[in-house]
Amino acid sequence: QVQLVQSGAEVKKPGASVKVSCKASGYTLTGYYMHWVRQVPGQGLEWMGWTNPNSGDTNNAQKFQGRVTMTRDTSINTAYMELSRLRSDDTAVYYCARGGDLYCSGGSCYSIDYWGQGTLVTVSS
Amino acid sequence: DVVMTQSPLSLPVTLGQPASISCRSSQSLVYSDGNTYLTWFQQRPGQSPRRLIHKVSNRDSGVPDRFSGSGSGTDFTLKISRVEAEDVGLYYCMQGTHWPMYTFGQGTKLEIK
Repeated sequence: QVQLVQSGAEVKKPGASVKVSCKASGYTLTGYYMHWVRQVPGQGLEWMGWTNPNSGDTNNAQKFQGRVTMTRDTSINTAYMELSRLRSDDTAVYYCARGGDLYCSGGSCYSIDYWGQGTLVTVSS
Repeated sequence: DVVMTQSPLSLPVTLGQPASISCRSSQSLVYSDGNTYLTWFQQRPGQSPRRLIHKVSNRDSGVPDRFSGSGSGTDFTLKISRVEAEDVGLYYCMQGTHWPMYTFGQGTKLEIK
């Protein structure tokens, strides 16, 4: 079955960077888009961006432009999201979530189906 | 950018009674291929979101049939025919039509009266 297992909680100082990993199992990483979504405590879901793990292409929400980098290591079926120049308002749970297949042939075209368990990133001095 | 607006933001419901959540988009969600890429998620307390419905009305495997989605264009609705205790949580709509950007609604909190 499809599973997305994320790395553990992180505590960072303002100005630092954080890199969250997301290991996919039950399917091939390069066959599906991977999205990153965050949730500030007590608030709603915020879409950050997606990556095409096959080509390496990415697309981010304007809000994160220049600060977020999404990469992958296909040899270990793992996607990564790095957020730089952290601020206190970046404290949130960060989720990876599987998008549709690259050829839009399945039921998840332009959608998200499976989610990771979330990674809490705390930014504090 | 497409803005997704949900209402109500808080929804107290009596067990066994129906519930309805509205999601409105600032632009039509009909894609060039004729499909409408509107998804509904449920997030129970302390859990990751779970997809309930995609393409407006297609229920995911394992989702109880008391959940249904409807709508077109810019107006969409998630309905629960008879609310159960396990339905408590947050509900979000999301659009994927205006790829490459995706947008979530602000969320609706369902609680038991």
